Amino acid sequence: AQTVTQSQPEMSVQEAETVTLSCTYDTSESDYYLFWYKQPPSRQMILVIRQEAYKQQNATENRFSVNFQKAAKSFSLKISDSQLGDAAMYFCAYRTLSYNTDKLIFGTGTRLQVFP
Amino acid sequence: EAGVTQFPSHSVIEKGQTVTLRCDPISGHDNLYWYRRVMGKEIKFLLHFVKESKQDESGMPNNRFLAERTGGTYSTLKVQPAELEDSGVYFCASSRRGLSSYNEQFFGPGTRLTVL
Repeated sequence: AQTVTQSQPEMSVQEAETVTLSCTYDTSESDYYLFWYKQPPSRQMILVIRQEAYKQQNATENRFSVNFQKAAKSFSLKISDSQLGDAAMYFCAYRTLSYNTDKLIFGTGTRLQVFP
Repeated sequence: EAGVTQFPSHSVIEKGQTVTLRCDPISGHDNLYWYRRVMGKEIKFLLHFVKESKQDESGMPNNRFLAERTGGTYSTLKVQPAELEDSGVYFCASSRRGLSSYNEQFFGPGTRLTVL
């Protein structure tokens, strides 16, 4: 069974600085998807960025980018030029490529604080 | 376009009582998912509907949980009788038809259930 591990329960960053959130996963599959979701306080979870395992190029969405290391089964999220609105819980998630299911497997989350 | 909505936002009940959670997916989304996050732990998949059919219910913890999606629109998740360990945040998500990474799962704000 696949598992996702986020070893940083909490992280903090100064506004305008860069922060990296860690995520590792375990799977025997060769093709899959990885995601980072963000849940601001009292608001719904939204997708920040996704990565297809077969793509070697790291995904980027504006100030958000990932460092995908397939062999190491590592999928970290880098937030550049951090803003106060980036404060949230961040969840790393895995999805199998199987057409029998598309459930997401999540980590325990990292709470990010942004200080002015 | 309205997002995924969930009702109630909070529910506090006593052990042994019954609670029904409701989820209204985004209009036109055939896929509907239920997830649960117990305090401090990972978000865990409960089940997946495609229209009114249960595609995957491998995450349902036991037979005290009953999910329905009559008519393929909104869904309810009933817990009867509730136990202390059922406390947590219950998330609903929906996505368009088809199992694909591009069928992003859109999440609701969650229902926080507290069983005393």
